Amino acid sequence: RKEVEQDPGPFNVPEGATVAFNCTYSNSASQSFFWYRQDCRKEPKLLMSVYSSGNEDGRFTAQLNRASQYISLLIRDSKLSDSATYLCVVTMKTSYDKVIFGPGTSLSVIP
Amino acid sequence: EAGVTQFPSHSVIEKGQTVTLRCDPISGHDNLYWYRRVMGKEIKFLLHFVKESKQDESGMPNNRFLAERTGGTYSTLKVQPAELEDSGVYFCASSRFYEQYFGPGTRLTVT
Repeated sequence: RKEVEQDPGPFNVPEGATVAFNCTYSNSASQSFFWYRQDCRKEPKLLMSVYSSGNEDGRFTAQLNRASQYISLLIRDSKLSDSATYLCVVTMKTSYDKVIFGPGTSLSVIP
Repeated sequence: EAGVTQFPSHSVIEKGQTVTLRCDPISGHDNLYWYRRVMGKEIKFLLHFVKESKQDESGMPNNRFLAERTGGTYSTLKVQPAELEDSGVYFCASSRFYEQYFGPGTRLTVT
Protein backbone atom coordinates (compact mmCIF):
# COMPACT_ATOMS: atom_id res chain seq x y z
CA ARG A 1 0.00 0.00 0.00
CA LYS A 2 1.32 3.46 -0.87
CA GLU A 3 1.99 5.81 2.00
CA VAL A 4 -0.15 8.55 0.48
CA GLU A 5 -3.02 7.77 -1.84
CA GLN A 6 -5.33 10.07 -3.75
CA ASP A 7 -8.44 9.79 -5.88
CA PRO A 8 -7.17 8.52 -9.23
CA GLY A 9 -9.08 11.02 -11.35
CA PRO A 10 -9.18 12.66 -13.75
CA PHE A 11 -12.01 14.90 -12.68
CA ASN A 12 -13.81 16.74 -15.47
CA VAL A 13 -16.26 19.28 -14.12
CA PRO A 14 -18.19 22.23 -15.57
CA GLU A 15 -17.42 25.78 -14.53
CA GLY A 16 -19.17 26.68 -11.33
CA ALA A 17 -19.25 23.14 -10.02
CA THR A 18 -18.06 22.05 -6.60
CA VAL A 19 -15.43 19.33 -6.57
CA ALA A 20 -13.83 17.44 -3.71
CA PHE A 21 -10.54 15.57 -3.63
CA ASN A 22 -9.64 12.94 -1.09
CA CYS A 23 -6.29 11.83 0.23
CA THR A 24 -5.44 9.09 2.70
CA TYR A 25 -2.17 8.43 4.44
CA SER A 26 -1.01 5.23 6.04
CA ASN A 27 1.37 6.39 8.75
CA SER A 28 -0.18 7.71 11.93
CA ALA A 29 3.09 9.50 12.71
CA SER A 30 2.26 11.98 9.96
CA GLN A 31 2.25 15.49 11.32
CA SER A 32 1.94 18.13 8.64
CA PHE A 33 -0.32 18.15 5.63
CA PHE A 34 -0.46 20.28 2.53
CA TRP A 35 -2.21 20.63 -0.77
CA TYR A 36 -0.13 21.69 -3.74
CA ARG A 37 -1.24 22.35 -7.28
CA GLN A 38 0.86 21.59 -10.29
CA ASP A 39 0.16 22.99 -13.71
CA CYS A 40 1.27 21.05 -16.75
CA ARG A 41 5.08 21.02 -17.02
CA LYS A 42 5.42 23.44 -14.11
CA GLU A 43 6.63 23.12 -10.55
CA PRO A 44 4.27 22.33 -7.67
CA LYS A 45 2.97 25.42 -5.91
CA LEU A 46 1.74 25.44 -2.36
CA LEU A 47 -2.02 25.86 -2.31
CA MET A 48 -2.69 25.58 1.39
CA SER A 49 -1.62 23.93 4.58
CA VAL A 50 -4.15 21.68 6.28
CA TYR A 51 -4.85 22.14 9.95
CA SER A 52 -6.72 19.91 12.36
CA SER A 53 -9.44 22.49 12.74
CA GLY A 54 -9.87 22.74 8.99
CA ASN A 55 -9.13 25.87 7.05
CA GLU A 56 -10.63 27.89 4.29
CA ASP A 57 -9.10 30.22 1.74
CA GLY A 58 -11.67 31.78 -0.54
CA ARG A 59 -13.22 29.04 -2.64
CA PHE A 60 -10.91 26.39 -1.20
CA THR A 61 -11.55 24.42 1.99
CA ALA A 62 -9.19 21.83 3.42
CA GLN A 63 -10.02 19.39 6.17
CA LEU A 64 -8.06 16.84 8.16
CA ASN A 65 -9.39 13.82 9.97
CA ARG A 66 -6.56 12.32 11.98
CA ALA A 67 -8.63 9.42 13.28
CA SER A 68 -9.40 8.26 9.76
CA GLN A 69 -6.04 9.45 8.40
CA TYR A 70 -7.81 11.38 5.71
CA ILE A 71 -7.44 14.81 4.13
CA SER A 72 -9.80 16.53 1.77
CA LEU A 73 -9.82 19.56 -0.48
CA LEU A 74 -13.06 21.18 -1.58
CA ILE A 75 -13.18 23.65 -4.43
CA ARG A 76 -16.36 25.66 -4.80
CA ASP A 77 -17.48 27.58 -7.88
CA SER A 78 -14.77 26.03 -10.07
CA LYS A 79 -12.98 28.29 -12.53
CA LEU A 80 -11.21 27.36 -15.73
CA SER A 81 -7.97 28.43 -14.05
CA ASP A 82 -8.43 25.74 -11.40
CA SER A 83 -7.52 23.10 -14.00
CA ALA A 84 -4.34 21.46 -12.70
CA THR A 85 -3.09 18.43 -10.83
CA TYR A 86 -3.65 18.59 -7.08
CA LEU A 87 -1.01 16.95 -4.93
CA CYS A 88 -1.51 15.84 -1.35
CA VAL A 89 1.71 16.10 0.66
CA VAL A 90 2.32 14.57 4.05
CA THR A 91 5.25 15.19 6.35
CA MET A 92 6.25 12.78 9.08
CA LYS A 93 8.42 13.66 11.99
CA THR A 94 10.69 10.75 12.79
CA SER A 95 14.37 11.26 13.43
CA TYR A 96 14.11 13.64 10.52
CA ASP A 97 11.33 15.16 8.47
CA LYS A 98 10.12 12.78 5.79
CA VAL A 99 8.08 14.33 3.00
CA ILE A 100 5.82 12.16 0.87
CA PHE A 101 3.90 13.25 -2.17
CA GLY A 102 0.72 11.62 -3.30
CA PRO A 103 0.35 10.71 -6.97
CA GLY A 104 -1.93 13.67 -7.62
CA THR A 105 -5.45 14.07 -8.93
CA SER A 106 -6.00 15.79 -12.24
CA LEU A 107 -8.80 18.35 -12.54
CA SER A 108 -10.14 19.80 -15.78
CA VAL A 109 -12.74 22.53 -15.51
CA ILE A 110 -14.75 22.71 -18.69
CA PRO A 111 -16.49 25.84 -20.03
CA GLU B 1 11.57 38.00 -2.45
CA ALA B 2 13.29 35.89 -5.10
CA GLY B 3 12.03 32.34 -5.44
CA VAL B 4 13.91 29.10 -5.76
CA THR B 5 15.95 29.01 -8.94
CA GLN B 6 17.38 26.03 -10.76
CA PHE B 7 19.92 25.70 -13.52
CA PRO B 8 19.84 24.53 -16.21
CA SER B 9 16.18 24.41 -17.16
CA HIS B 10 16.86 21.62 -19.63
CA SER B 11 19.74 19.24 -20.14
CA VAL B 12 20.16 16.58 -22.79
CA ILE B 13 23.13 14.26 -22.32
CA GLU B 14 24.24 10.89 -23.53
CA LYS B 15 24.31 7.81 -21.39
CA GLY B 16 27.58 7.66 -19.48
CA GLN B 17 28.09 11.41 -19.34
CA THR B 18 28.02 13.56 -16.23
CA VAL B 19 25.54 16.28 -15.44
CA THR B 20 25.43 18.73 -12.55
CA LEU B 21 22.21 20.43 -11.55
CA ARG B 22 22.18 23.52 -9.40
CA CYS B 23 19.59 24.88 -7.01
CA ASP B 24 19.56 28.28 -5.30
CA PRO B 25 17.06 28.29 -2.44
CA ILE B 26 15.14 31.25 -1.09
CA SER B 27 17.43 33.33 1.06
CA GLY B 28 17.18 32.37 4.71
CA HIS B 29 15.72 28.93 4.09
CA ASP B 30 17.84 26.39 5.90
CA ASN B 31 15.94 23.42 4.47
CA LEU B 32 16.66 22.36 0.93
CA TYR B 33 15.12 19.35 -0.78
CA TRP B 34 15.70 17.54 -4.04
CA TYR B 35 12.92 15.63 -5.77
CA ARG B 36 12.54 13.79 -9.04
CA ARG B 37 9.53 13.16 -11.21
CA VAL B 38 9.84 10.46 -13.80
CA MET B 39 7.24 10.64 -16.57
CA GLY B 40 3.92 9.22 -15.48
CA LYS B 41 4.99 8.74 -11.89
CA GLU B 42 4.58 10.75 -8.73
CA ILE B 43 7.19 13.10 -7.37
CA LYS B 44 9.76 11.20 -5.35
CA PHE B 45 11.86 12.59 -2.56
CA LEU B 46 15.62 12.31 -3.06
CA LEU B 47 17.22 14.09 -0.15
CA HIS B 48 16.98 16.86 2.40
CA PHE B 49 19.63 19.28 3.59
CA VAL B 50 19.47 21.34 6.73
CA LYS B 51 22.01 24.05 6.10
CA GLU B 52 25.03 22.15 4.80
CA SER B 53 24.21 18.84 6.47
CA LYS B 54 22.39 15.96 4.81
CA GLN B 55 19.40 15.34 7.05
CA ASP B 56 17.96 12.50 5.00
CA GLU B 57 19.27 10.99 1.80
CA SER B 58 17.15 7.86 1.88
CA GLY B 59 15.60 8.68 -1.48
CA MET B 60 18.83 8.79 -3.45
CA PRO B 61 18.52 5.97 -5.97
CA ASN B 62 22.17 4.86 -6.01
CA ASN B 63 25.75 6.05 -5.65
CA ARG B 64 25.75 7.62 -9.09
CA PHE B 65 23.96 10.55 -7.48
CA LEU B 66 25.92 12.99 -5.34
CA ALA B 67 24.43 16.04 -3.70
CA GLU B 68 26.32 18.80 -1.99
CA ARG B 69 25.45 22.02 -0.27
CA THR B 70 28.67 23.73 0.60
CA GLY B 71 28.28 26.66 2.94
CA GLY B 72 24.60 25.95 3.36
CA THR B 73 23.55 28.12 0.44
CA TYR B 74 23.12 26.69 -3.04
CA SER B 75 23.13 22.97 -3.72
CA THR B 76 24.32 20.81 -6.58
CA LEU B 77 23.16 17.39 -7.64
CA LYS B 78 25.60 15.48 -9.78
CA VAL B 79 24.73 12.38 -11.77
CA GLN B 80 27.76 10.39 -12.85
CA PRO B 81 27.58 8.39 -15.03
CA ALA B 82 24.06 9.09 -16.23
CA GLU B 83 21.79 6.23 -17.24
CA LEU B 84 18.64 6.25 -19.35
CA GLU B 85 16.40 5.75 -16.32
CA ASP B 86 17.72 8.98 -14.80
CA SER B 87 15.63 10.99 -17.25
CA GLY B 88 12.97 13.09 -15.59
CA VAL B 89 12.35 16.44 -14.01
CA TYR B 90 14.46 17.27 -10.98
CA PHE B 91 12.85 19.73 -8.61
CA CYS B 92 14.47 21.57 -5.79
CA ALA B 93 12.48 23.06 -2.94
CA SER B 94 13.36 25.12 0.10
CA SER B 95 11.60 25.92 3.31
CA ARG B 96 12.02 27.78 6.53
CA PHE B 97 9.75 25.36 8.37
CA TYR B 98 7.39 22.88 6.71
CA GLU B 99 5.92 24.82 3.79
CA GLN B 100 8.09 24.15 0.81
CA TYR B 101 8.58 26.39 -2.20
CA PHE B 102 9.62 24.74 -5.40
CA GLY B 103 11.93 25.80 -8.16
CA PRO B 104 10.91 25.45 -11.81
CA GLY B 105 12.80 22.19 -12.17
CA THR B 106 15.48 20.87 -14.49
CA ARG B 107 14.28 18.58 -17.23
CA LEU B 108 16.99 15.96 -17.76
CA THR B 109 16.96 13.75 -20.82
CA VAL B 110 19.50 10.95 -21.09
CA THR B 111 19.79 9.48 -24.58
